[in-house]
Amino acid sequence: AQSVAQPEDQVNVAEGNPLTVKCTYSVSGNPYLFWYVQYPNRGLQFLLKYITGDNLVKGSYGFEAEFNKSQTSFHLKKPSALVSDSALYFCAVRDRSSASKIIFGSGTRLSIRP
Amino acid sequence: DAGVTQSPTHLIKTRGQHVTLRCSPISGHKSVSWYQQVLGQGPQFIFQYYEKEERGRGNFPDRFSARQFPNYSSELNVNALLLGDSALYLCASSSGASDSYEQYFGPGTRLTVT
Repeated sequence: AQSVAQPEDQVNVAEGNPLTVKCTYSVSGNPYLFWYVQYPNRGLQFLLKYITGDNLVKGSYGFEAEFNKSQTSFHLKKPSALVSDSALYFCAVRDRSSASKIIFGSGTRLSIRP
Repeated sequence: DAGVTQSPTHLIKTRGQHVTLRCSPISGHKSVSWYQQVLGQGPQFIFQYYEKEERGRGNFPDRFSARQFPNYSSELNVNALLLGDSALYLCASSSGASDSYEQYFGPGTRLTVT
């Protein structure tokens, strides 16, 4: 069975510092991996995805994520955090080798202090 | 361009009642998915429709049903409401049926069951 874990409920970072939001996954085959962000009282917004190819994926708003097959991780990163990055971040995984359903992590609340 | 729209925004129902939630996808998108997001958790997949055919179903009871219309809009129906059905219901559309496509989410319908 596939699963995804976001081990940190909350991440606190000072503005201007680099940020990392962690995500690990478990699938029987090869994964499609996604990051979404949710602002208060809004739906989810797509940030980036890994399908195939380069392990470093660049997405919206300066975010990037690195696919690490050996560690089964897909951590979200940004070199310099902004206060406006404060939101709820979700990692999602789908096993491409089966007719599986997309699974979302429980979310990580990112708080950027000025 | 208009994004994914959902109606109503908020809804209060009594246990045992029936509810219908509506979703209009982004113009040109033929795939619609429904998710339930309970407070403090990630979205859980309920249904996916593509070209009016059910393409996937999550682990939800038969009280939950959906359909997609010729104009690609969709309805989610929930019968015999339980207190535990209280949640934010999200609709998402994508341009294709492939699992690699990112999804675009609507703002959601907040359902409260009393």
